[in-house]
Amino acid sequence: GAGVSQSPSNKVTEKGKDVELRCDPISGHTALYWYRQSLGQGLEFLIYFQGNSAPDKSGLPSDRFSAERTGGSVSTLTIQRTQQEDSAVYLCASSSLRGGIETQYFGPGTRLLVL
Amino acid sequence: DAKTTQPPSMDCAEGRAANLPCNHSTISGNEYVYWYRQIHSQGPQYIIHGLKNNETNEMASLIITEDRKSSTLILPHATLRDTAVYYCIVREYNFNKFYFGSGTKLNVKP
Repeated sequence: GAGVSQSPSNKVTEKGKDVELRCDPISGHTALYWYRQSLGQGLEFLIYFQGNSAPDKSGLPSDRFSAERTGGSVSTLTIQRTQQEDSAVYLCASSSLRGGIETQYFGPGTRLLVL
Repeated sequence: DAKTTQPPSMDCAEGRAANLPCNHSTISGNEYVYWYRQIHSQGPQYIIHGLKNNETNEMASLIITEDRKSSTLILPHATLRDTAVYYCIVREYNFNKFYFGSGTKLNVKP
């Protein structure tokens, strides 16, 4: 079946511009996660959604970052007034609980380059 | 907040077993051990998870010590395609923050 998809796969933008990154989770998955991975680094947790709600937004690096999820499905991560340090791969994952166990399935990521 | 400690890198000869250790000395009773891997330029991939019993699936085996303070992921016959960063994660079963830590870079060599 279809996995997690993200768009765009690559994004080049100029410093100061806003960008929107999209995540389409696996159908029926109630939880959705956003991570950031800078070059050669591990994954940095940003935010997760349970349904349309985000119980914990503390991982967002600054108030320039925001995310929303509508209809319990698609999520959008928005970065306003982008900075060069925002350049990274942004990964999305979705999951559901089966027998009390959660397994996250990741998308291919969006590679963001801020010039 | 990773709650796990892994060696930064390991080498393994192709065809041999790869044994990747993970320390999680502060694990609590309701936390599971998960393993994921990330092949270069791809999103992380789920491998296996366990609570206190040893587990095996088509990809790997997971050995958890009796006190649950450490575990070992075993790839029984490593191939070049198993070269990746392997992440050991502990967390509760419900949805929550998911910390990946730095992982172990496994280099499988011919």
